[in-house]
Amino acid sequence: DTAVSQTPKYLVTQMGNDKSIKCEQNLGHDTMYWYKQDSKKFLKIMFSYNNKELIINETVPNRFSPKSPDKAHLNLHINSLELGDSAVYFCASSSGGTDTQYFGPGTRLTVL
Amino acid sequence: GNSVTQMEGPVTLSEEAFLTINCTYTATGYPSLFWYVQYPGEGLQLLLKATKADDKGSNKGFEATYRKETTSFHLEKGSVQVSDSAVYFCALTLYNQGGKLIFGQGTELSVKP
Repeated sequence: DTAVSQTPKYLVTQMGNDKSIKCEQNLGHDTMYWYKQDSKKFLKIMFSYNNKELIINETVPNRFSPKSPDKAHLNLHINSLELGDSAVYFCASSSGGTDTQYFGPGTRLTVL
Repeated sequence: GNSVTQMEGPVTLSEEAFLTINCTYTATGYPSLFWYVQYPGEGLQLLLKATKADDKGSNKGFEATYRKETTSFHLEKGSVQVSDSAVYFCALTLYNQGGKLIFGQGTELSVKP
C-alpha cells in the first residue's frame, strides 16, 4: 500500500499552460507539504497545510496555488507555466510538528 | 537564519570502505535533525533522525550523533555497499516552524564494486 502517492509521475507541457499535480496520503496524517527539487537536487519547501489550513507559504509566486479538499489530499495547481518551473515536485505528509515526514515519489515537470 | 551545510559531492568509494558525510547546521533554537536518502528516480526516504543533543540515530548500518557543541550531525557507515549509492540529504526542523524541513544541498555517493 503506497503511503504517499502523487500523480502524474511525469508532466511535459508548454509554457503558458496551466497544470495540476495531485497528492494523496493514507497515513492518517494532519499535515501535508509541497517541496520543489531543482536541477541541482536542492530541495526547498513551498507550502504546508494542517487540517486543510495553509500554514506555510514560502514566498512562492502566486501562479502556484495549493488546494486541500480534505486532510488526505493536497493538490498543486500551477498557472501560466514558465521554463523555470521545470523541477521535481515532492509531496510529503507528517503528524505535524517535528515528526518524520514521508515523501511521495515525486512529479517531474518539464516546461518546454 | 536556519541552514544546513553538507560536504560537497560526489563521493566515490569502493565497496566495504568507511563512509563519512559531514553535516553542520545553524539554528535559532533546538532543532530535530534528519538524514534522508534518495535513490535514483525515487522520492526521499528517512534514513535516521535524532531529536535532542547526544542522541544517536541509526538504521541499516548508518549512524549519526547529534552534537550540539559542534552543531553537527555527521553520517557514518562502517562498510558501504554498491546498493548504498544514492543522494544523501541532511535536514533540520524546528518545533515552531510548522514542520518545515530545511535541507542541505545533498551529497551524491557512488559505491564501486
